[in-house]
Amino acid sequence: DTEVTQTPKHLVMGMTNKKSLKCEQHMGHRAMYWYKQKAKKPPELMFVYSYEKLSINESVPSRFSPECPNSSLLNLHLHALQPEDSALYLCASSQAGTSGRSDTQYFGPGTRLTVL
Amino acid sequence: AQSVTQLGSHVSVSEGALVLLRCNYSSSVPPYLFWYVQYPNQGLQLLLKYTSAATLVKGINGFEAEFKKSETSFHLTKPSAHMSDAAEYFCAVKGSQGNLIFGKGTKLSVKP
Repeated sequence: DTEVTQTPKHLVMGMTNKKSLKCEQHMGHRAMYWYKQKAKKPPELMFVYSYEKLSINESVPSRFSPECPNSSLLNLHLHALQPEDSALYLCASSQAGTSGRSDTQYFGPGTRLTVL
Repeated sequence: AQSVTQLGSHVSVSEGALVLLRCNYSSSVPPYLFWYVQYPNQGLQLLLKYTSAATLVKGINGFEAEFKKSETSFHLTKPSAHMSDAAEYFCAVKGSQGNLIFGKGTKLSVKP
């Protein structure tokens, strides 16, 4: 099973709301990733967790706050977002942590976020 | 630093025709290269990957890609396009920190 699940599928929020995106995998993977994808653009890396520790933060604004409660779960907490943050948020996982350069990243279906 | 360039943001072929999507890479170390497909409003699905084991890589759905070091290329091909192949295709290279660095994508349209 190579499934990464993400909830919710769609999310609409106001600029003053607090919401969270959830990602889960049960493949025993030790690295998990958050990507942001704007329309007609490639995914852009936001955060990487390797062995449950934050290893990469691509200068993402603090209104995005990642959390990795355990090796199977990855959250992205959202607060005071701007309309330009509307995008598809993709989660991915890979087996051996960020040192596994040939490892495949498996992507979830994404959460379509709209900020009003 | 690693990077990939996809030539052609939009490719249109007729059903049954050859599909050729171009990707060139730049890397100071032996690259690990990937092709992903994305259908509308969905996540990315791996088509195939190059990890130096073989230069001709076969993937899912009849796609294959050939790694050519002399041309720094990793073009994606399929002998006969099907309507269901219409999607966005991304070439990617593994970065030094294990992250994927994507090209800008090529949208494939298939005409009946």
